[in-house]
Order: sequence, then structure tokens, then C-alpha cells
Amino acid sequence: GENVEQHPSTLSVQEGDSAVIKCTYSDSASNYFPWYKQELGKGPQLIIDIRSNVGEKKDQRIAVTLNKTAKHFSLHITETQPEDSAVYFCAAKKGQGSNSGYALNFGKGTSLLVTP
Amino acid sequence: GAVVSQHPSWVICKSGTSVKIECRSLDFQATTMFWYRQFPKQSLMLMATSNEGSKATYEQGVEKDKFLINHASLTLSTLTVTSAHPEDSSFYICSARALAGGAQYFGPGTRLLVL
Repeated sequence: GENVEQHPSTLSVQEGDSAVIKCTYSDSASNYFPWYKQELGKGPQLIIDIRSNVGEKKDQRIAVTLNKTAKHFSLHITETQPEDSAVYFCAAKKGQGSNSGYALNFGKGTSLLVTP
Repeated sequence: GAVVSQHPSWVICKSGTSVKIECRSLDFQATTMFWYRQFPKQSLMLMATSNEGSKATYEQGVEKDKFLINHASLTLSTLTVTSAHPEDSSFYICSARALAGGAQYFGPGTRLLVL
């Protein structure tokens, strides 16, 4: 089945610096890669996603890059702010044929801390 | 847009009782909803996939008679934890897959504590 690896598990940056979180996936049939931000005690919030027919997508301070050949994708946050502090999860949509249809396979999460 | 609600947000119950959690997509239709379980400082674990009008598909190791799922409409899915025990205490989160675009949006979660 799909295996999503996420690194690093924790990341601490100073306000204004950039943060990069990387994920790799194993199922070459995966074609959808969302990123979620989860604050303490809350549900995950979709912040950006990318499909396999696109190499890069940007939304203000957030960008995601996808390398299908290497089967890895990354989240880039520029000009980080303290309110960016949260746990970030990458995910990959399971390939066709899975009993779970559109279910996502999640990475283990990255705890990002942005210090003022 | 793309708001998913869950009710209740937290519940405390005695061992042996059943607890129902509702998941609603407020401003979009969702033919597919998912139920996850999350332990502290861990990732989300998919429990089951719920399709409107049909039986849910459970992940390996999840007891379907323990976790009853009903998806009666395009905006509502329910998870019932039957005969809850302390080991069922967890953070339960649902998500709904939008018909348009296919993105998944998560609810705020329900924290269950079984005494």
C-alpha cells in the first residue's frame, strides 16, 4: 500500500525565515497531494494541494512543489509568522483500485514552531 | 466555503454506553465522507470510508460492529461508538470530499473520553 514519509518531525525557525517540509510517497499511481495545518485541539485545515499534472503551485506565502520522478513533494512557507506555528501533515491520495477509493494516506506530521 | 461541522465537540461517557457523532458538510455536497481517529501527537488513522446510500468500507483492524457508520444524505454522516470502553477514548475527526474538485475538508473533531 501507499507509504508517505514526512521530514522533519519537528522544525523551529525564527520569524521571517522560510520553512520547508518534505514528503516522499511510494505509490506511483498517487495523483493528488494536499497539505494540512492542524492547530492544537482542532481539525486539520487544507492549506494547499497539488495534482500530478502540475510541478509547482503557489498561494501567497505558501508553495508546494512536486517531483513525480523522484516521488517527493515539499511545502515551502516564506516569511514565517508566529501564527504559522502548528502541526503540518502531507498526504497522498491512494492509487486506483484501493477499497477506500479517494482516501488519503498521511505523513506523520511536522511540528513547526516559529519564534518571534 | 467548504465548511465541515462535527457535533458534539467533546463528550464524556460511562463505559458501556454508546456515543453518536455527527459530521455535516455545511455548504457543499459530499458523496464520500471519511472517519479518522487521532491519538495525541500522532497522525490521522483512517477508520472507514462512508459513501452516501451504501455501506461503509472499514479499514483493516476496525470493527464495523463497534463503530457503526451511517451516511444517509449528501451532507450528513454519523459515527456511533457502541458499548464504548476507555480504550475508545480518542479524538475522532471526519472529513468530507467535495463533489467539485475532490478536495477533502475536515471537521473540527470530537474528543471522546470514556470513563
